[in-house]
Amino acid sequence: DTAVSQTPKYLVTQMGNDKSIKCEQNLGHDTMYWYKQDSKKFLKIMFSYNNKELIINETVPNRFSPKSPDKAHLNLHINSLELGDSAVYFCASRGLNSLTIYFGEGSWLTVV
Amino acid sequence: AQSVTQLGSHVSVSEGALVLLRCNYSSSVPPYLFWYVQYPNQGLQLLLKYTSAATLVKGINGFEAEFKKSETSFHLTKPSAHMSDAAEYFCAVSVGAAGNKLTFGGGTRVLVKP
Repeated sequence: DTAVSQTPKYLVTQMGNDKSIKCEQNLGHDTMYWYKQDSKKFLKIMFSYNNKELIINETVPNRFSPKSPDKAHLNLHINSLELGDSAVYFCASRGLNSLTIYFGEGSWLTVV
Repeated sequence: AQSVTQLGSHVSVSEGALVLLRCNYSSSVPPYLFWYVQYPNQGLQLLLKYTSAATLVKGINGFEAEFKKSETSFHLTKPSAHMSDAAEYFCAVSVGAAGNKLTFGGGTRVLVKP
């Protein structure tokens, strides 16, 4: 079983559309994250949730809205997609009192 | 705020040769340090981590790294490169416990020549 799973893995969509990426972890972790990897492979944190509560929001445009229905799920909704949103989005999770962050396989988003 | 610098965006090594990937960090408090590997079109996999125990850390796939506080470095090495080591490698730092996040370096792409 995949520990941190994301869907879809690949997504091609037009500018202006709204799309969501879903993430689920079966590790029993309390903290979940969204990271963005740009075309130059640079990785940057976007959001972090702990037990469904937002704890990190790294100056991400309001068009990005994370939602955590429970501590095993953290979805990312993106409104009015722009060309610059094309990237790989990684979901990740971390257990309580653990320093190790586990990453999903990534969701490749292409905006055309 | 903490930061990570990886020297060399690309490294080319011959199969069987030493792999050395450089990572320097900046942190005002004792850091935790990590190396992740990303194979093409895949996610990030943890290679090893330093969490203030032994300064020489051994990881998966024959990799190891040494934490040197005086040099603020955490370089990654493997004595003998294998073709399967071709990938992107990321050094990362985190500080604190609650709500900690990883701050990544820019990555180093490793090419292994036969």
